[in-house]
Amino acid sequence: KAGVTQTPRYLIKTRGQQVTLSCSPISGHRSVSWYQQTPGQGLQFLFEYFSETQRNKGNFPGRFSGRQFSNSRSEMNVSTLELGDSALYLCASSLIPGAIPKSYNEQFFGPGTRLTVL
Amino acid sequence: GIQVEQSPPDLILQEGANSTLRCNFSDSVNNLQWFHQNPWGQLINLFYIPSGTKQNGRLSATTVATERYSLLYISSSQTTDSGVYFCALPHDKIIFGKGTRLHILP
Repeated sequence: KAGVTQTPRYLIKTRGQQVTLSCSPISGHRSVSWYQQTPGQGLQFLFEYFSETQRNKGNFPGRFSGRQFSNSRSEMNVSTLELGDSALYLCASSLIPGAIPKSYNEQFFGPGTRLTVL
Repeated sequence: GIQVEQSPPDLILQEGANSTLRCNFSDSVNNLQWFHQNPWGQLINLFYIPSGTKQNGRLSATTVATERYSLLYISSSQTTDSGVYFCALPHDKIIFGKGTRLHILP
């Protein structure tokens, strides 16, 4: 079974541009969560989608948005990029929403997209 | 909200040594995961452990949910064990600790 895939793996943008990142979950998984990782702030939760609906959202400005398609693939978009948006963006998939503590509900992470904003 | 604290924040060991990483949490939880983030940024699942003890090769984990902590043991460390170890707990969302950065010297 293929793991979680993220594209692109690396991205360089300039301030003010926008960017779209993609995440394909493990086959059969319907929940996708996004995280931002920076050296100073650690792993921060962005949002979670389940069955095409945003289920939960972290404390990020409205420039960060996402969506999920009927095949469970998810995209996140960052508009009007700022230097501070430079980070590793990770997505994770699980069968059902990740916060539901069931024994079968492990989260599996993709390799990440490393975004650099110049 | 729930607080997750990991200790120590940094650990440098010689190859072959054993180590114990700790994860304390402030509220009762029904599950916990341990991850290893390798130098390329990939988060690798180690254990999914709500309570009790699990072992996988040189790694083992114990969670005592009633006392709100979990321990990750690494025995006979290898240089490939280097990286950052995170514990994560489901709450209204998944909450991650700040991690323990482990560096194994050859």
